[in-house]
Amino acid sequence: DTGVSQDPRHKITKRGQNVTFRCDPISEHNRLYWYRQTLGQGPEFLTYFQNEAQLEKSRLLSDRFSAERPKGSFSTLEIQRTEQGDSAMYLCASSSAPGTTSSTDTQYFGPGTRLTVL
Amino acid sequence: GESVGLHLPTLSVQEGDNSIINCAYSNSASDYFIWYKQESGKGPQFIIDIRSNMDKRQGQRVTVLLNKTVKHLSLQIAATQPGDSAVYFCAENNYGQNFVFGPGTRLSVLP
Repeated sequence: DTGVSQDPRHKITKRGQNVTFRCDPISEHNRLYWYRQTLGQGPEFLTYFQNEAQLEKSRLLSDRFSAERPKGSFSTLEIQRTEQGDSAMYLCASSSAPGTTSSTDTQYFGPGTRLTVL
Repeated sequence: GESVGLHLPTLSVQEGDNSIINCAYSNSASDYFIWYKQESGKGPQFIIDIRSNMDKRQGQRVTVLLNKTVKHLSLQIAATQPGDSAVYFCAENNYGQNFVFGPGTRLSVLP
């Protein structure tokens, strides 16, 4: 399978605990995005990386959230001191940076990690 | 702020009929648009895209129309099938930045 993969698919945690999610993008893609999606809503942008560099962060990304992409391949999203309002689907997507290939910009999504904070 | 929205939150169609899902966008600088399909418990799946220098693009059973004058995007699905039942999102992109998604339209295909 050469698509975007995410792990775990489901996570249940207690309020106050830390959680970490992983995303493996399509191998030739150098851009990686994190989105959050709540029930009945469209995905909301959180942050994105081009290679190792985190180029943009949404105001939705509070100081309890941190994302890394240390080697420019997989990425992790950590949420510290989880709150019930953090319950959502966390989606990862990847794409090629504009100008690098003929099929630029299109973001391909992984299956998501559903987080439930009790 | 700029946003993408949908006119109809739900749409029910008979199997075999054509479906039209509409989307209004407000950022006139957006140059790239994608329609995604999302089934329950899954991530959004790319359906078709269109750039701002085009008015129409066709795929297999799907057509996207872009009207830049009124900032309107539509997705047409021909001969709708039960497997088309899902939530459909339009998303806009401004020169390679992150996508802004609308709230989605749920398409229900009736037997």
